Amino acid sequence: KAGVTQTPRYLIKTRGQQVTLSCSPISGHRSVSWYQQTPGQGLQFLFEYFSETQRNKGNFPGRFSGRQFSNSRSEMNVSTLELGDSALYLCASSFTAGTGNEQFFGPGTRLTVL
Amino acid sequence: AQSVTQLDSHVSVSEGTPVLLRCNYSSSYSPSLFWYVQHPNKGLQLLLKYTSAATLVKGINGFEAEFKKSETSFHLTKPSAHMSDAAEYFCVVQAGGTSYGKLTFGQGTILTVHP
Repeated sequence: KAGVTQTPRYLIKTRGQQVTLSCSPISGHRSVSWYQQTPGQGLQFLFEYFSETQRNKGNFPGRFSGRQFSNSRSEMNVSTLELGDSALYLCASSFTAGTGNEQFFGPGTRLTVL
Repeated sequence: AQSVTQLDSHVSVSEGTPVLLRCNYSSSYSPSLFWYVQHPNKGLQLLLKYTSAATLVKGINGFEAEFKKSETSFHLTKPSAHMSDAAEYFCVVQAGGTSYGKLTFGQGTILTVHP
């Protein structure tokens, strides 16, 4: 079974631009979560989607948004990019939402904002 | 609210000696607890998970962890370190309730293994 895939793997953008990252979960998984990883803040939760509905959201500004499609694929969007948005963005999928469910992580998209 | 504290940012051991990575957690609900490993330039891999069954949890590659509710700890151990164990390890809590499936990560412990 294929793992979680994320595209693109690397992105370079300039301040003020917007970016869209894509995540394809493991086949059969219906929950997708997004995390931001930076050297200073570590791994932080962005949001979780299940059956096309956002179930939970982390403490990030409204510039960060996401959505999930009927095939469980998910996208996240960051508008008006800032230098501090440079990070590794990780997507994770699980069979269902809620506690106790293993989340399987993709390789991440490394975003650099210049 | 939920939080995780990994007590050591760096741990250095010699190959063949035991590994101990320490983790304390805080949670308003009965938590699920996980350990993930991240090798350089690689994604996160699940080592093991605790979800209110047996308190001693065995994972992959010889790792295990013991859930101690009275101490709010979930330390990761391995009897004998291997060079391939060198990586960053994350203790993770998933608390449920209004947090739903949200994972809260510790700051990570970098494990160095010397020959």
